[in-house]
Order: sequence, then structure tokens, then C-alpha cells
Amino acid sequence: GAVVSQHPSWVICKSGTSVKIECRSLDFQATTMFWYRQFPKQSLMLMATSNEGSKATYEQGVEKDKFLINHASLTLSTLTVTSAHPEDSSFYICSALEAGTDTQYFGPGTRLTVL
Amino acid sequence: DAKTTQPPSMDCAEGRAANLPCNHSTISGNEYVYWYRQIHSQGPQYIIHGLKNNETNEMASLIITEDRKSSTLILPHATLRDTAVYYCIVRPPPNEKLTFGTGTRLTIIP
Repeated sequence: GAVVSQHPSWVICKSGTSVKIECRSLDFQATTMFWYRQFPKQSLMLMATSNEGSKATYEQGVEKDKFLINHASLTLSTLTVTSAHPEDSSFYICSALEAGTDTQYFGPGTRLTVL
Repeated sequence: DAKTTQPPSMDCAEGRAANLPCNHSTISGNEYVYWYRQIHSQGPQYIIHGLKNNETNEMASLIITEDRKSSTLILPHATLRDTAVYYCIVRPPPNEKLTFGTGTRLTIIP
């Protein structure tokens, strides 16, 4: 299947700092990428839908000014958690939609810990 | 999106077939059934999907009932590495959003 990578795989930062997470589709182009968040022992929750070259669409309750999403190319989307706080500590997972098959392939996830 | 119902947990002996059920009684005619699994601390892995017909790939088989109100994912020869949470998701095209439920925690027993 198609491969999606994320970088970094884990990050620890101080409260108040910003953290950028990259999501790349390695062997296919993705006009649409998605960002999810998963808290311990819970299911994945969609945060936003990212379309190449346009503004992201955020789910209800997700602050667009706090979670900045950029989808500048067909293989790269970035999520920046601005002014991170301990409650933002979570497992962030991206997915990329493979055109033609309409199948979402997921990245390995990024574990963010905010001290 | 149609809601899915899955048992919270299942056990299966190593080497046996694992049959994971999913109910989606409110599914619409143009909605696909997708299966993903998530091994601990990893991103979800795509397994298989189907619309009406049964499907098979190198990982699993998907059996969809004729009325499409339920489906079964079959792992033919379960191994310890198949221990994971399995998610059954109904997705209407062209809406690409996937809504994850709580899934089934499958444990393969040696």
C-alpha cells in the first residue's frame, strides 16, 4: 500500500512554545490530507481536512489559530501547534487520500508531550 | 455517516481464523465499508474495503451481507502480530471523512 511518513515521531517541548509536525505522502500525490488527534485509550478524532493550495477545514471545537495547517504541495502537509500547553499533549496522526482509490493511508503518528 | 457497531473485544487462538463482525444497519447504497487496524502506539493501517461484493486481498477477506447491513472481516490465519484494535468504518463517497468508533480490540492468544 501507499506510504505516509511523519516527522518527528515524538517531541517534548516546554509550555508556550510552538511545534511543527510534517506529514508526507512518499509514493503518491495527495490533494487532500487529514489531521487526527488521539488521547490515551480513546479513538481517533478528526481535527481538520487539508486541501492542497487552499485553507484547511477545521472540525467543530478545534481552534484554527492554535493548530495551523499548511498544505503547500501535493506531498506535504504541516501541522503547527502554537503556544502549546500540557493539555495539547497527545498522539497526532495524519492521513493522505490517494486519488483514484479514494483510500486514506495513515502516517505512523507523532507523540507530543508538553511540559 | 452511517453508524457502526462492533464488539468491544475478542480473543482468537494463534493460527485460527479471526472473524470480526460489524453492524451497519443504516448504511446507504453508495457508502463503502472500510476496515483499518491500529497496533498500539502506531497510526491506523488500511486493511480492506468494499461496497457490495465480497473482497479479498493479501491481508484479509471482507464478507458483506446481501442487504449490506453487516459485514465480517476475516483474518484467515491469525498471528500474534494481528493483535490490534480493528475499526469498521462506513464512508460515503465523495466525502472522504472517516469517523472512527471504538473498534474491536482483538487479542491473539498463543
